[in-house]
Amino acid sequence: SQQGEEDPQALSIQEGENATMNCSYKTSINNLQWYRQNSGRGLVHLILIRSNEREKHSGRLRVTLDTSKKSSSLLITASRAADTASYFCATDETGGFKTIFGAGTRLFVKA
Amino acid sequence: GAGVSQSPRYKVTKRGQDVTLRCDPISSHATLYWYQQALGQGPEFLTYFNYEAQPDKSGLPSDRFSAERPEGSISTLTIQRTEQRDSAMYRCASSRLTGNTGELFFGEGSRLTVL
Repeated sequence: SQQGEEDPQALSIQEGENATMNCSYKTSINNLQWYRQNSGRGLVHLILIRSNEREKHSGRLRVTLDTSKKSSSLLITASRAADTASYFCATDETGGFKTIFGAGTRLFVKA
Repeated sequence: GAGVSQSPRYKVTKRGQDVTLRCDPISSHATLYWYQQALGQGPEFLTYFNYEAQPDKSGLPSDRFSAERPEGSISTLTIQRTEQRDSAMYRCASSRLTGNTGELFFGEGSRLTVL
């Protein structure tokens, strides 16, 4: 079973625009992570935000976490064609030891 | 090793055959995960190991699936009497941390096709 649900399922934007993806989850968590996957390749870790953090930045990435709403968002600013990929949120449940992934958002950035 | 290595990258087998997939994690990593990923979906948790211990195998779909990590490093995932519904990408990931999980490092995966 998958813990997180990403929204939208697919997103198509022009290069230079910002892309926002949302993730909702069901249980209390220790951390929430975002991963990127290019066309069937292995997943690559982007950023981790802890349950006591509200916002985190890494380069063109901005992640927010609202534990009261059990939701997170990933913002990619000034998107590039190379950002075309699937993006997954993943949660580490409180008291658990496994990382559970959502179904992902497929982002297509048009040059 | 430098990264997580999985083999074989591709496996085609006939229904009813047994298959074993191998994962060689990053050498310093304590925790190892197995996931199953269907096309267009996110990775589904199968099982994980802390060194050689296997605290959680709740995601294994049936008793035809088993995993081992006898020396706390290399792990194998075995599927007995394969069925067509077992066709998927099987991904291994490792993490430096035990307990409160952190960043996972994924291998390229093993794509299994059951005819």
